[in-house]
Amino acid sequence: GAGVSQSPSNKVTEKGKDVELRCDPISGHTALYWYRQSLGQGLEFLIYFQGNSAPDKSGLPSDRFSAERTGGSVSTLTIQRTQQEDSAVYLCASSFMDSGTYEQYFGPGTRLTVT
Amino acid sequence: DQQVKQNSPSLSVQEGRISILNCDYTNSMFDYFLWYKKYPAEGPTFLISISSIKDKNEDGRFTVFLNKSAKHLSLHIVPSQPGDSAVYFCAASVGSNYQLIWGAGTKLIIKP
Repeated sequence: GAGVSQSPSNKVTEKGKDVELRCDPISGHTALYWYRQSLGQGLEFLIYFQGNSAPDKSGLPSDRFSAERTGGSVSTLTIQRTQQEDSAVYLCASSFMDSGTYEQYFGPGTRLTVT
Repeated sequence: DQQVKQNSPSLSVQEGRISILNCDYTNSMFDYFLWYKKYPAEGPTFLISISSIKDKNEDGRFTVFLNKSAKHLSLHIVPSQPGDSAVYFCAASVGSNYQLIWGAGTKLIIKP
C-alpha cells in the first residue's frame, strides 16, 4: 500500500511486560514521527527521526520508552515494563521534509491497553 | 500549559449549514497552522493549512481564517455534509520547526 502502516492495530498487555510497536512509513519519506493520544487529549509528540540525523527524543515520557529506525525506513517504538498510564493510541506519521510543507501522513495507530 | 486550545469538545450542525470550528493559541511565534480530520480507527488526515502571512485560505468547501491579533483561527465548512462528521484537530508550528503542537480536537457531528 501507499500509506503509512502500523502493527499491531490493537495490543493488550499486562502491566510490567514489554511491548514493541511497528511503523512502516511511506516510501521515500525522510521524516518519521511517533505520537500518542490519550483519551480526550490531543496528540502528544514522542520522537522524531530525520534521515541520518540523531533523533529528537525530547518527547519521550520516561526512559522506559525507546525507538529506533532501521535503514531510514521502518521504525519500532519499544515500551519496557508497561504501566497502566501507557494505555493510549500510538500514532506514527511520515513526511517528505523537502516538500516545503509541514504535512504529515499518519498511520491508523496502535491501540495499547495495559491491564 | 496548552499552547493550542480547542475549547469545544463537540459541535453538532445540521446538514447543509455552515460548521465553524475554533482554535486559540498562546504562542505568538507560531507562524504555520494546519487542520487535520480524524475518523474513528484511522490516523488524522491533512485538511488545510495557513501561513501567518495570510488571513484566509480556501479549498473547496473548507476555509481557514487566521486572526493573528486575537491568536485565533477557525475552520469553516460550507455546506456541511454527513461525511464531515469526524474529530477535527488544529495544529501549529514555529518556522521550520518540524514539531507540531496539537489541540485536543473537536468532534463534529453533522445531523441529517
